[in-house]
Amino acid sequence: IAGITQAPTSQILAAGRRMTLRCTQDMRHNAMYWYRQDLGLGLRLIHYSNTAGTTGKGEVPDGYSVSRANTDDFPLTLASAVPSQTSVYFCASSRDILNTEAFFGQGTRLTVV
Amino acid sequence: GENVEQHPSTLSVQEGDSAVIKCTYSDSASNYFPWYKQELGKRPQLIIDIRSNVGEKKDQRIAVTLNKTAKHFSLHITETQPEDSAVYFCAASNSGGGADGLTFGKGTHLIIQP
Repeated sequence: IAGITQAPTSQILAAGRRMTLRCTQDMRHNAMYWYRQDLGLGLRLIHYSNTAGTTGKGEVPDGYSVSRANTDDFPLTLASAVPSQTSVYFCASSRDILNTEAFFGQGTRLTVV
Repeated sequence: GENVEQHPSTLSVQEGDSAVIKCTYSDSASNYFPWYKQELGKRPQLIIDIRSNVGEKKDQRIAVTLNKTAKHFSLHITETQPEDSAVYFCAASNSGGGADGLTFGKGTHLIIQP
């Protein structure tokens, strides 16, 4: 692993199903984020984590949950997917709260049908 | 919370000409302003950033200016080349609480005409 990696790359999901998007970084960054990208709306923050063991809500948290059991991993869970959650999801990380340069994963394209 | 407006949504310029993208922000406490470039199907990547204690920053053909009083900042690309074609996003954050994440503008699709 080099940098920040997301899995899967793409997924088609039936509405109502549960899905976890995985994100792993090997840069020992303290802060991690989940964004969704929709055409015409840019990147919107879903959830964030300042450091392992803590999480917070972003601009569009409804329908999503996260956990941060360790420094490297920051999974995003959709408990019961709905079509409006069709989007491209980007995980990102930054070194600490004083250095906010964010490095992005390659994205997960999720389609909920 | 922070609100970032970005203009224009699409910008078409002739190769070799300059391109300017403008953003405004609402939170006077914001102190970090990065610009990201996203090529089609790729991840956003940082191209330049500026902090609130600096008015201008330049890196080769790219420059960013910041006007704290007016709460706006701009990206300037000179001598544009075909590889500059991409979507550009501005963002703002209060790095004192930086792990709250960046607030992004909606993006500008820059098209470089040959």
